[in-house]
Amino acid sequence: GAGVSQSPSNKVTEKGKDVELRCDPISGHTALYWYRQRLGQGLEFLIYFQGNSAPDKSGLPSDRFSAERTGESVSTLTIQRTQQEDSAVYLCASSVQISPLHFGNGTRLTVT
Amino acid sequence: AQKVTQAQTEISVVEKEDVTLDCVYETRDTTYYLFWYKQPPSGELVFLIRRNSFDEQNEISGRYSWNFQKSTSSFNFTITASQVVDSAVYFCAAMIKAAGNKLTFGGGTRVLVKP
Repeated sequence: GAGVSQSPSNKVTEKGKDVELRCDPISGHTALYWYRQRLGQGLEFLIYFQGNSAPDKSGLPSDRFSAERTGESVSTLTIQRTQQEDSAVYLCASSVQISPLHFGNGTRLTVT
Repeated sequence: AQKVTQAQTEISVVEKEDVTLDCVYETRDTTYYLFWYKQPPSGELVFLIRRNSFDEQNEISGRYSWNFQKSTSSFNFTITASQVVDSAVYFCAAMIKAAGNKLTFGGGTRVLVKP
């Protein structure tokens, strides 16, 4: 596809369940980013991949959050034992080095 | 660590007025990149501009212009003759090379253009 694709677009889950969010970056983009945006708030950095390695995991809010990337392509963000405060839009972006980040449309996560 | 501050949380103007959005960044590094993104009500993030730290030339693109001043660590954005379609949240962001290309965003400024 032409852009960054994220799935699902919406996810409603019960508190305590695990969720997986997927990101397909633009082909050839070596860098991949995950951000969280709570309602009416700015973008909170979560993690950044260069290739398949994550040189910066400093933004992951707790050990319930993890992410991986395989084949320098698809990335999965996993949230275990979801809490209501995890409700937000999770945005993925990809880029080539310092070029502008291209963002997906996000996954809106609602924890009930 | 880098930090980006957008002091204005919300600005409301009437159509055709000019509006300037402030952005102040903090870094001790000499090589960095500054960005502006637009997030309309539909939610997608739209890239507007990137500047590197070695290029202080101001830039104009249609009704948009940017004023980069290293002396005050500011990268302000002006919309001239605003239109209703300019209503959105605008984010300033910084990428510090030494920090491994992590893009740090400011808190955003919501612009509401009334007809």
